Amino acid sequence: GAGVSQSPSNKVTEKGKDVELRCDPISGHTALYWYRQSLGQGLEFLIYFQGNSAPDKSGLPSDRFSAERTGGSVSTLTIQRTQQEDSAVYLCASSQRGGRTGELFFGEGSRLTVL
Amino acid sequence: EDKVVQSPLSLVVHEGDTVTLNCSYEVTNFRSLLWYKQEKKAPTFLFMLTSSGIEKKSGRLSSILDKKELFSILNITATQTGDSAVYLCAVEGGGGADGLTFGKGTHLIIQP
Repeated sequence: GAGVSQSPSNKVTEKGKDVELRCDPISGHTALYWYRQSLGQGLEFLIYFQGNSAPDKSGLPSDRFSAERTGGSVSTLTIQRTQQEDSAVYLCASSQRGGRTGELFFGEGSRLTVL
Repeated sequence: EDKVVQSPLSLVVHEGDTVTLNCSYEVTNFRSLLWYKQEKKAPTFLFMLTSSGIEKKSGRLSSILDKKELFSILNITATQTGDSAVYLCAVEGGGGADGLTFGKGTHLIIQP
């Protein structure tokens, strides 16, 4: 597609429920990143996928968070048993540079509100 | 652990003023520093800096990197209300987690 596409744009859920956030990167971009942005904060790195390599999960805040990338394209970020502190905007970005970042192209984000 | 500190955290100026935003960093095996503009949701890329002392310029925006003192500045001249946004600085290092390390951003408000 023309840009990075994320869905849903907004999600309101109850504490304890599971949520799935989807990211469709720019076609041909091999690198895909998930970031989290809480109110008034910078972007917090969560996870990085590069091609078929094992993802770098070092930024995931707890084992309730997981992500997968199928076929080297679409990625899904799953948060299990959501907590109120999970409320944030989850941003996905892709890059065409292999191995490292350089310029990232961001999606519009998914705003998650946990009640 | 890589670290990025931006200042000021917020800034309010009048249209036409010139502003300077600061970004200092600590990073293992520095590769690049990037500036992004975030107006509502998606940050958009402004500059990528890898070498000291070479100014990058785009219209009224310019940026420069000092790898000895570990900082970068973003200048905006003749500011306009459309420049109002959060400006994010990020660094890319060779150690630790992949991905950029972002600062908290500078929230810039341009008053007419």
